[in-house]
Amino acid sequence: RKEVEQDPGPFNVPEGATVAFNCTYSNSASQSFFWYRQDCRKEPKLLMSVYSSGNEDGRFTAQLNRASQYISLLIRDSKLSDSATYLCVVIFTASKLTFGTGTRLQVTL
Amino acid sequence: NAGVTQTPKFRILKIGQSMTLQCTQDMNHNYMYWYRQDPGMGLKLIYYSVGAGITDKGEVPNGYNVSRSTTEDFPLRLELAAPSQTSVYFCASTQGGAKDEKLFFGSGTQLSVL
Repeated sequence: RKEVEQDPGPFNVPEGATVAFNCTYSNSASQSFFWYRQDCRKEPKLLMSVYSSGNEDGRFTAQLNRASQYISLLIRDSKLSDSATYLCVVIFTASKLTFGTGTRLQVTL
Repeated sequence: NAGVTQTPKFRILKIGQSMTLQCTQDMNHNYMYWYRQDPGMGLKLIYYSVGAGITDKGEVPNGYNVSRSTTEDFPLRLELAAPSQTSVYFCASTQGGAKDEKLFFGSGTQLSVL
């Protein structure tokens, strides 16, 4: 089993739709979790941290489920500009960061 | 602040050639990382450093070397380039370790080995 798994997509959704991505991880001792956004041929950029209590930033909501070992990202009211690849990152130690392969989102008119 | 600066942006190498990918950051970050990203794949850690003079191997270190003589600079050296090293390379940094802080990435180096 891979340490971090994501559905590669692509997820093709119309503007205004709600879309959710999941990311599962295998190491139950993992400590921190993040979602990064990566545009084509660009460097990843932090989208948001993920906490067990859940956190929201505008149209984006991230959630951690430690019991089932997955994190999720919900995007409401999708915009064309949300089209990108979304990478989950699971951190065990400061040097042990594992990136998922990414989920590609394409928002269409 | 310029953040994390990587050079060059693009490079084509012949098999067996060597080169150094440069990475410098002006944020006084302790932790620095080198990743490679193959098409359709996640980022894989090559080497990392927790401070000047300290480096350690990541997940895929074979064929690469690093040094960290200053806090600012973390160059990645390819001694004998191979086609398997064709990839996009990202340098990243963070102050106290990525456990609680975001990674700052450079803009990447697209390397092709032919």
